[in-house]
Parts: sequence; C-alpha cells; structure tokens
Amino acid sequence: EVQLVQSGVEVKKPGESLKISCKGLGYNFTNYWIGWVRQMPGKGLDWMGIIYPGDSDVRYGPSFEGQVTITADKSVSTAYLQWSALKASDTAMYYCARHYRGASDSWGEGTLVFVSS
Amino acid sequence: DVQMTQSPSTLSAHLGDAITITCRASESISRYLNWYQQKVGKAPKLLIYSSSSLQSGVPSRFSGRGSGTDYTLTITNLQPEDFGIYFCQQTYYTPYSFGQGTKVEIK
Repeated sequence: EVQLVQSGVEVKKPGESLKISCKGLGYNFTNYWIGWVRQMPGKGLDWMGIIYPGDSDVRYGPSFEGQVTITADKSVSTAYLQWSALKASDTAMYYCARHYRGASDSWGEGTLVFVSS
Repeated sequence: DVQMTQSPSTLSAHLGDAITITCRASESISRYLNWYQQKVGKAPKLLIYSSSSLQSGVPSRFSGRGSGTDYTLTITNLQPEDFGIYFCQQTYYTPYSFGQGTKVEIK
C-alpha cells in the first residue's frame, strides 16, 4: 500500500526557519515525482512545486519560487519543504502527494504550520 | 500560467440527484485534467485523472469528460458521502494549477 507520512504540527514565530518532511512508503520512491500543495485556512489548493527524487529535478510555482526550497533524500525516501524565514502568511496546511499518470494519486495527511508572534 | 475556472462555486442538491461541475482552462490542456474530492479536515482524494479515467476504488457514479479547454465532472445518484468540496487541476503545464473549488451541499 502506498503511503505518504508527513511530519507533525509546527508552531513557529515569524523569522524562524522550518523544514517539514514527507516519507514515501510502499513504492519505489525514486521513480515518482512528489509535489507540495498549500491550503490556507478556509481556502483552496495552491500548487507549490514538484520534485523528482531520482535526480532532484525541481519545478516551482511562480508564487513560491524563492520563498521555499523543495528537496528530497532518496536514501531515506523522504521529500522536504523548507523555509528560511517564516511569515505569518505561511500559516497553512501543507500536503505532499505522489504524482502518477499525470495526477496526485496518493496524499499525505498534511502538516499544519502555524506562524505567530 | 494556466488559469482554471470552476463553476458553480456552491451547489445544493438532494440525495439521489445528478449534478455536474464545470472546469474551464485558460488555454488547451489536452485532457490533462484531474478531479479531487476533499472532506473537512482531510487531504484531497483523486477521483478522475486524464479527464475521464476513474481512479481505482472510486464509485462508477463519478464520471468525467471534456477536451481542449472545457471539462465536466458528473455525479449521478448523489450519496451522503459525496458532500464536500471538489477541485479540478490541470497537469499539462507547470505550475499545475487548481480550480477554486465547488462546494457540494445537501439541500
């Protein structure tokens, strides 16, 4: 069974750094793109970017380029999303999802990030 | 970037009804169109990929069609578990943009 296991809730202050994770289980992690999606409270889905763990090829959405960094470590089947300096507006749920046949077919349960002074 | 416009924003229907949600892309996306369902507090769930292919385990009352810029999701015989928010997404061009969502409510 394919599973994406995400790291837990984060409560941070503005200006702090953060790295959240998404571990792929039950499939060959190296061979499938993994994407990240943001959902702000009460809002829709925002596509942030996608990475191919096999060669770390990354594509970012224009709203997120330069604001976050997406990486992957295929040795531990884990993708990461990181910020160097959080803002209050980064408060959201962040989902990772496996990309297969042109769609996000398996999703993690989400990581809630809360940023407040 | 490709803009995805869903309609309606909200849809009220009775159990047993058939409903249709529309998604329009700002340019042709060659059937690279997916549909997801999201329940409150849960991750989205893939229903339809490549415009009309039913994801494994999804009931056959869900169907999708379309090509070029215009796509639809139809749910027949609406069931209690079908209420939630539905999103379309194009995956022809990055960024893989989503529609703004359609909330399906009980009438």
